[in-house]
Amino acid sequence: QVQLQESGPGLVKPSETLSLTCAVSGYSINSGYYWGWIRQPPGKGLEWIGSIYHSGNIYYNPSLKSRVTISVDTSKNQFSLKLSSVTAADTAVFYCARVRYSYGYPIWFDPWGQGTLVTVSS
Amino acid sequence: QSALTQPPSASGSPGQSVTISCTGTSSDVGGYNYVSWYQQRPGKAPKLMIYEVSYRPSGVPDRFSGSKSGNTASLTVSGLQAEDEADYYCSSYVGSNNLLFGGGTKLTVL
Repeated sequence: QVQLQESGPGLVKPSETLSLTCAVSGYSINSGYYWGWIRQPPGKGLEWIGSIYHSGNIYYNPSLKSRVTISVDTSKNQFSLKLSSVTAADTAVFYCARVRYSYGYPIWFDPWGQGTLVTVSS
Repeated sequence: QSALTQPPSASGSPGQSVTISCTGTSSDVGGYNYVSWYQQRPGKAPKLMIYEVSYRPSGVPDRFSGSKSGNTASLTVSGLQAEDEADYYCSSYVGSNNLLFGGGTKLTVL
């Protein structure tokens, strides 16, 4: 059974870089899926951030591309997110998920991690 | 790019059917059969309920079904149960290696 678990600081100061890691268990990160990040501001909807393949192929949401870096560590079966120059508008629950791609298109997310709230505040 | 359009709320009584719509354009919902639906209970992570317009993952009750007509996709929940009360989000591939979610619909079981 695939399980994902996010970890990282729950509080980040404005203008700093948010860093999160997603540990994958019960499934090898090398086994043919992409792995992605999605965020949800409190009381609001979902926003896809980006996805990465074990080979390092990466897709980013164009609206966040300039501030996002996603990386993968196959030896630890985990992947990571960095979001730079954060503001209060970046306060959200961040989820990691396994991502299905078809012909280079992201098409669904399953399963999801439980999510971690990151607050941007001084 | 704007989120896909969903009604903010929907409701039905136990045993009834309710349909939630997700409207996009010919460049996203209407252009690809890559619409998915997610159920999110309060304080929980989203759960995949429908993928590629009408396919159900293993373990999802067959009371949940998906369809698409033109630029609008729909999720229908038949035989409503109290446990179906949740927020529901659609998503669609929108071109240029990008994916969008709908704004979400709060389903209330009366």
